[in-house]
Amino acid sequence: AQSVTQPDIHITVSEGASLELRCNYSYGATPYLFWYVQSPGQGLQLLLKYFSGDTLVQGIKGFEAEFKRSQSSFNLRKPSVHWSDAAEYFCAVAGNFGNEKLTFGTGTRLTIIP
Amino acid sequence: DAGVIQSPRHEVTEMGQEVTLRCKPISGHNSLFWYRQTMMRGLELLIYFNNNVPIDDSGMPEDRFSAKMPNASFSTLKIQPSEPRDSAVYFCASSLRQGIEAFFGQGTRLTVV
Repeated sequence: AQSVTQPDIHITVSEGASLELRCNYSYGATPYLFWYVQSPGQGLQLLLKYFSGDTLVQGIKGFEAEFKRSQSSFNLRKPSVHWSDAAEYFCAVAGNFGNEKLTFGTGTRLTIIP
Repeated sequence: DAGVIQSPRHEVTEMGQEVTLRCKPISGHNSLFWYRQTMMRGLELLIYFNNNVPIDDSGMPEDRFSAKMPNASFSTLKIQPSEPRDSAVYFCASSLRQGIEAFFGQGTRLTVV
């Protein structure tokens, strides 16, 4: 069965600093990978996705993520965070053979300090 | 498109009462998912449908939970009878097919007292 691990429950970053959120997945083949963001009281919004091809994917709000098959990782990065980036971030994995469900990690809460 | 629409946004009910959560997926999407989010367990997939047919309901916690999708534009999640431990935010999401990005509704915050 597929699974996702986000090892960091909570990360605090200064505004303007760089950010990397970790995500490791378990799946028997090349998965579909996603990063979602959730602001307080809101639903989840897709930041970016990886299906195939270029392993470095660009998303909205200046985020990017890199798929590394050898490490089973899909870490999210941003070169300079803004106060509005404070939110909860979820990594998710889905299979690509059809009838595969989307499985989420436990999330990483990002706090931005001035 | 208005996105995935869930109703109600908030529900407070007494233990033992029946609760029905509603979801209207994005038009044209053929997969629909129900998730539950709690502080303790995070985001849990309860059930998902493909072309209105339930594909995997292994996440449904108990027989008290049931979900239906009578047509492509409507789904319900019912809890009967409700218990305080069912208090959570319930999200509905839809996608063009499994594995393709899911679009989430705003959620229903359920409180069972």
